[in-house]
Amino acid sequence: QVQLVQSGAEVKEPGASVKVSCSASGYTFTAYYMHWVRQAPGQGLEWMGRINPNSGGTNYAQKFQDRVTMTRDTSISTAYMELSRLRADDTAVYYCARAPSAVAGHGGYWGQGTLVTVSS
Amino acid sequence: QSALTQPASVSGSPGQSITISCTGTSSDVGSYNLVSWYQQHPGKAPKLMIYEASKRPSGVSNRFSGSKSGNTASLTISGLQAEDEADYYCCSYAGTTTNWVFGGGTKLTVL
Repeated sequence: QVQLVQSGAEVKEPGASVKVSCSASGYTFTAYYMHWVRQAPGQGLEWMGRINPNSGGTNYAQKFQDRVTMTRDTSISTAYMELSRLRADDTAVYYCARAPSAVAGHGGYWGQGTLVTVSS
Repeated sequence: QSALTQPASVSGSPGQSITISCTGTSSDVGSYNLVSWYQQHPGKAPKLMIYEASKRPSGVSNRFSGSKSGNTASLTISGLQAEDEADYYCCSYAGTTTNWVFGGGTKLTVL
């Protein structure tokens, strides 16, 4: 069965970087795009970007363009999302979500989420 | 401000039907039949309920249905049950650059 397992909660100081991992199993990792979505406390869902695990190609939301880097390691079927220059308002749960194709409006499978807390 | 507009809250009694709207623009909802709906219970990851505007994933109750007309998509839940109480989010594909845009979410209360 398809599973996306994310890394554990992180606490970071303002200005630092965080790297969240998403380990995939139960399917061919390189066959499906991986998206990253975040949710601040009590707020809605926000799309951050996506990666094509086959080519490594990425698309980022304009809001995060200069601070986010999405990568993957196909040898261990894992996608990564790194966010730099963290601010207090980056405190959120970060999710990875698998999309069925390049042109798709949904993620059929989601990770359990990783809480990132930014605080001094 | 979210890209897609949803009502902040809706409510209904057990057994009743409710509909949640999701209004976008000609750049997202209006251009693609790629609207999805998610159910989210507190502390849990979103769960896909509807994709491609009206399709249900395997295992999702047929009490959940979706539709789209122009720039507005809708999620209807019939035969409301207590377990349906949750937050619901719509999402639309919006092109190669923006990709996914979400609604602000709707809190469903089962009275």
